Amino acid sequence: GENVEQHPSTLSVQEGDSAVIKCTYSDSASNYFPWYKQELGKGPQLIIDIRSNVGEKKDQRIAVTLNKTAKHFSLHITETQPEDSAVYFCAASTSYGKLTFGQGTILTVHP
Amino acid sequence: ETGVTQSPTHLIKTRGQQVTLRCSSQSGHNTVSWYQQALGQGPQFIFQYYREEENGRGNFPPRFSGLQFPNYSSELNVNALELDDSALYLCASSPVSTGGSTDTQYFGPGTRLTVL
Repeated sequence: GENVEQHPSTLSVQEGDSAVIKCTYSDSASNYFPWYKQELGKGPQLIIDIRSNVGEKKDQRIAVTLNKTAKHFSLHITETQPEDSAVYFCAASTSYGKLTFGQGTILTVHP
Repeated sequence: ETGVTQSPTHLIKTRGQQVTLRCSSQSGHNTVSWYQQALGQGPQFIFQYYREEENGRGNFPPRFSGLQFPNYSSELNVNALELDDSALYLCASSPVSTGGSTDTQYFGPGTRLTVL
């Protein structure tokens, strides 16, 4: 089955800096790659997603890139703010909506 | 538009008991997926329901079962609870789907289950 590896497990940045989180996947049939933000005591919130027919997608301060050949995708957050502090999860899916998640990255943005 | 809701918020059970968790999907969504999230881990797929039938299952034993109702709400049932079943149980709903493609999933707040 699909396996998703996520790095780093923790990331600490200063407010205004950029943050990058990387994920690799194993199943070349995966075609959908969402990113979720999870705050303490809450469910995961979708922040951006990308499908395999697209190489890059951007939404304001957040961008995701996908390299199908290398089977990896990355989340980029620019101009980080303290409210960006949370756990971020990447996921991959091949069909019918089974998402396989990475282990998560704890992002801390220091004021 | 109402988002995904789950009940109860928290639940404490003892080993061997049975539990039922409930989920109301987001308006207009006909597909519901359930995930288990252990502390410090990513969510793990349990199963998905589409048109009131199971439409895919992860690596969970048969004592994990589910239902989907005509209004697209869903239940997760766990029998013979074990200590390792302690986790956050998440429900996610997806918009109208053929059932064969991957659609965006929107998660509820989860139910925190503690098994003593």
